[in-house]
Amino acid sequence: DAGITQSPRHKVTETGTPVTLRCHQTENHRYMYWYRQDPGHGLRLIHYSYGVKDTDKGEVSDGYSVSRSKTEDFLLTLESATSSQTSVYFCAISDPGRQGSYEQYFGPGTRLTVT
Amino acid sequence: SQKIEQNSEALNIQEGKTATLTCNYTNYSPAYLQWYRQDPGRGPVFLLLIRENEKEKRKERLKVTFDTTLKQSLFHITASQPADSATYLCALVSLSGGGADGLTFGKGTHLIIQP
Repeated sequence: DAGITQSPRHKVTETGTPVTLRCHQTENHRYMYWYRQDPGHGLRLIHYSYGVKDTDKGEVSDGYSVSRSKTEDFLLTLESATSSQTSVYFCAISDPGRQGSYEQYFGPGTRLTVT
Repeated sequence: SQKIEQNSEALNIQEGKTATLTCNYTNYSPAYLQWYRQDPGRGPVFLLLIRENEKEKRKERLKVTFDTTLKQSLFHITASQPADSATYLCALVSLSGGGADGLTFGKGTHLIIQP
């Protein structure tokens, strides 16, 4: 998984509780992304980061926030989890300046269940 | 709105034959088109990238074509093997955001290679 870890790998939480998912990379890639994957929808971009403290929204950002204080870590926070946020969350990294071709490398995923 | 379509039904192919998967897109002007493989419970893995000015790209038993007039990419696996069974995702990259604003994925095609 190209030096990308996600934690936790599985989590069950209750509606209304805050949840933070962590993505850690050892590749020193500039760009980091959070996607969610749901049956019938495929992978959808939540937020992304193009550098330390530089983030932007993706297609499905409502209800999520992110932070990146170090190159290697990208955190995804659900401020108040809802059942609609039950999903598999994937982190990805990319470094177009180094690779020149925008391919992304994905972590193993976090399965989140909100009851 | 932007749309990426892949065969939603599973594709069953006999071992040794060529598997051909289709990716069609609308309302999009991608600079790059990528193909990923995803196994159950795992993150997507990058396979191939083709640029808008390229017609065909090969890598071992894999071949990708890209027709920007038809707005279509075909992904071929020759001499298919049961180990090729997986879900294959098509993804597009535009450069409107400098390429940093993530990939847009199709929902994927589940390929089954039968012995």
